[in-house]
Amino acid sequence: AQTVTQSQPEMSVQEAETVTLSCTYDTSESDYYLFWYKQPPSRQMILVIRQEAYKQQNATENRFSVNFQKAAKSFSLKISDSQLGDAAMYFCAYKNSGYALNFGKGTSLLVTP
Amino acid sequence: EAGVVQSPRYKIIEKKQPVAFWCNPISGHNTLYWYRQNLGQGPELLIRYENEEAVDDSQLPKDRFSAERLKGVDSTLKIQPAELGDSAVYLCASSLGTEVEKLFFGSGTQLSVL
Repeated sequence: AQTVTQSQPEMSVQEAETVTLSCTYDTSESDYYLFWYKQPPSRQMILVIRQEAYKQQNATENRFSVNFQKAAKSFSLKISDSQLGDAAMYFCAYKNSGYALNFGKGTSLLVTP
Repeated sequence: EAGVVQSPRYKIIEKKQPVAFWCNPISGHNTLYWYRQNLGQGPELLIRYENEEAVDDSQLPKDRFSAERLKGVDSTLKIQPAELGDSAVYLCASSLGTEVEKLFFGSGTQLSVL
């Protein structure tokens, strides 16, 4: 079974600064997808960014970018110019050729003024 | 367009009582998922429907949990009887086909079993 590990239970960043959230995963597959989801207090899981394993180029969505290191099985999320609205739980998730998402335990991000 | 709608938002019950959660997916989404999210954890899949058929219920504790999606649209997840360990957030999600990359989640039902 695939496992997803988020080693940082909590992170803090000042407004306008940059923060990186870590994620590692374990798999024997070569074709898979990786995701970062944001879960604010409303509890709704919101897709932030995704990465296909066959793509070497790191995905970017506005202020959010990833550092995908396939050999190291690492998938970190960088948030630039942090905003108060970025405060939430962030979950890393893995999906192989099937349909099930495997989530990590999450990282709580606090943004301070 | 409305997103995935779930109700109730909160539910508090005593152990051994029954409880039901309702989900209405995004219009046109034929695939529906129920996830359970324990405190301090990520969501875990309980059951997946394609239209009205439960195509994967391998993680659903069948002794006390049941689910239905009779007309292939909205769905109900039931627990009977509830146990203390069932306290969690129950999330519903939907997608068009099996494109998990385009998965939309509801806001969940937070269940507290006392």
